[in-house]
Amino acid sequence: DVKVTQSSRYLVKRTGEKVFLECVQDMDHENMFWYRQDPGLGLRLIYFSYDVKMKEKGDIPEGYSVSREKKERFSLILESASTNQTSMYLCASSKGDGEAFFGQGTRLTVV
Amino acid sequence: AQSVTQPDIHITVSEGASLELRCNYSYGATPYLFWYVQSPGQGLQLLLKYFSGDTLVQGIKGFEAEFKRSQSSFNLRKPSVHWSDAAEYFCAVGPTHSGNTGKLIFGQGTTLQVKP
Repeated sequence: DVKVTQSSRYLVKRTGEKVFLECVQDMDHENMFWYRQDPGLGLRLIYFSYDVKMKEKGDIPEGYSVSREKKERFSLILESASTNQTSMYLCASSKGDGEAFFGQGTRLTVV
Repeated sequence: AQSVTQPDIHITVSEGASLELRCNYSYGATPYLFWYVQSPGQGLQLLLKYFSGDTLVQGIKGFEAEFKRSQSSFNLRKPSVHWSDAAEYFCAVGPTHSGNTGKLIFGQGTTLQVKP
């Protein structure tokens, strides 16, 4: 069974902390994505990666960075967490035909 | 600008009734089209997809969707809703050109509530 695994389901962090969200896929997909999901706004793309060490900004990259050192792993980094980054974060991977496979999501609360 | 619109934020139907969720898109060319479902606290699962060919596509869980090029729509339907269909539904579009990264644009989502 294909799988995208996010390291945490729930996280609570303090304002100003550096936060790492990890995502691993076992499908050998080239493309990986980080989305943010907020009520009424759907999914908004933060960053995506189409190859190891390659990344591109999505629609809302401010306050975030990413790292992809290995094909199967894509990390989202909040350099200095703020309360407006409280949200659900979804990782996905795709082989390029557009069909994306999603992880279970990480619900992050910044206090 | 490329966009996806799901006009209905929230829909309530009775169990056993038929369902139609609307999706309209704005795109430079005919894109790939998708419907995803998200159960509470879960990630998104693909229901169905349209790449080309027959404009009526069948998906999992008894869902189907019809692509109408003239209306830039891709509406999701189910003849008889089950209580387990209560979830949030997302329409998405993606580029069809070769070498695309699979980057999708999502609608705002429609929350489906099913009455017993």
